[in-house]
Amino acid sequence: EDQVTQSPEALRLQEGESSSLNCSYTVSGLRGLFWYRQDPGKGPEFLFTLYSAGEEKEKERLKATLTKKESFLHITAPKPEDSATYLCAVQALRGAQKLVFGQGTRLTINP
Amino acid sequence: SAVISQKPSRDICQRGTSLTIQCQVDSQVTMMFWYRQQPGQSLTLIATANQGSEATYESGFVIDKFPISRPNLTFSTLTVSNMSPEDSSIYLCSVLGGSDTQYFGPGTRLTVL
Repeated sequence: EDQVTQSPEALRLQEGESSSLNCSYTVSGLRGLFWYRQDPGKGPEFLFTLYSAGEEKEKERLKATLTKKESFLHITAPKPEDSATYLCAVQALRGAQKLVFGQGTRLTINP
Repeated sequence: SAVISQKPSRDICQRGTSLTIQCQVDSQVTMMFWYRQQPGQSLTLIATANQGSEATYESGFVIDKFPISRPNLTFSTLTVSNMSPEDSSIYLCSVLGGSDTQYFGPGTRLTVL
């Protein structure tokens, strides 16, 4: 069974304090690994897709990386507006593009 | 990416009643999905809805409880039937875009009393 585990569950940082969020996964053939951002009361907002080990994607203060067992979301010099829950999901090669989500990391950036 | 809207945005319902949630997309899409996000939990796929065919339900979800319609390529509905307090959740629709990416609607927050 495909499984995604995210850590930590919650992370509180000071503005400008860089850190990383972890997403460990098991899947029988990876089609893609997805990162989303979810603000309270809203639907998930797409951030990145990673397809193969060694791949990296960047967007503003965020960089996502992928290995064969885990993905990291690195946040560099975060700002308070980066506060959100970050969700990781995997999509297997088999099946109809179904996403299996982790529990998310609730990130708070204090000014 | 597609613009997705859901109605209602939130509702409070009595147990034993049913609620139909609508999902509208601004462009034609082949695949639409319905997810549930229970309080403090992550997203769980309920079913996949393709136009012109029966919805495909995930383990633990049944058509009698969550009937889905997909009458055309821009619209779908999810009904939560015979509701109980355990059905209190956020219900989200998503659509499949390019590169196998799913884009999500804003969600419907349901509270069952």
